[in-house]
Amino acid sequence: EIVLTQSPGTLSLSPGERATLSCRASQSVSSSYVAWYQQKPGQAPRLLIYGASNRATGIPDRFSGSGSGTDFTFTISRLEPEDFAVYYCQQYGSSFIFGPGTKVDIK
Amino acid sequence: QLLLQESGPGLVEPSETLSLACTVSGGSISSGSYYWAWIRQPPGKGLEWIGSISNGGSAYYNPSLKSRVTISVDTSKNQFSLKLSSVTAADTAVYYCARRGGGSSYYYVDVWGKGTTVTVSS
Repeated sequence: EIVLTQSPGTLSLSPGERATLSCRASQSVSSSYVAWYQQKPGQAPRLLIYGASNRATGIPDRFSGSGSGTDFTFTISRLEPEDFAVYYCQQYGSSFIFGPGTKVDIK
Repeated sequence: QLLLQESGPGLVEPSETLSLACTVSGGSISSGSYYWAWIRQPPGKGLEWIGSISNGGSAYYNPSLKSRVTISVDTSKNQFSLKLSSVTAADTAVYYCARRGGGSSYYYVDVWGKGTTVTVSS
């Protein structure tokens, strides 16, 4: 079974800074099956990126994704106050698997 | 706007069966090539996919839960349901119903319910 590792576990940044999050798979996965989600406390996750690099409907262009094979990256170009949250990567092999999450908090 | 709403008991006794339903509004569960999913999140932890079902009734499950899970769909009620048997405290979580989008090209979850908290305790 594929295992996803996200790093760092916590990222402490200030508004306006750039956030770069990593998601690594234990074996090569199709980039078509990689997605990123944002979750705020008490809320359901929200889809941000699908197919590794495609923004979901209504998602601002400060959010972007890239990568292939085993290494995928999610970037927020300039953090807005509402971006402080937990971010999960997801891939699909024979089943959906989510990474453990990266918390982006205010420095 | 498609909305999903979970319903069911918030407290289940150990060894019993957890039963939840998800009502879909703002669209038909039968339209399009979608799968309908259950995903859970234990307190303070990450997301775990439980399983998914098509509107035609084809279901597939997380291998780690497969022996205890049944997901079904009722197109006449625009609902799909989850049953998880022989529950323990480890099954305490927020349970989300959701829609898997992307057809056969992409795999992602694009619509989520608000989630319902289920506690397993006597």
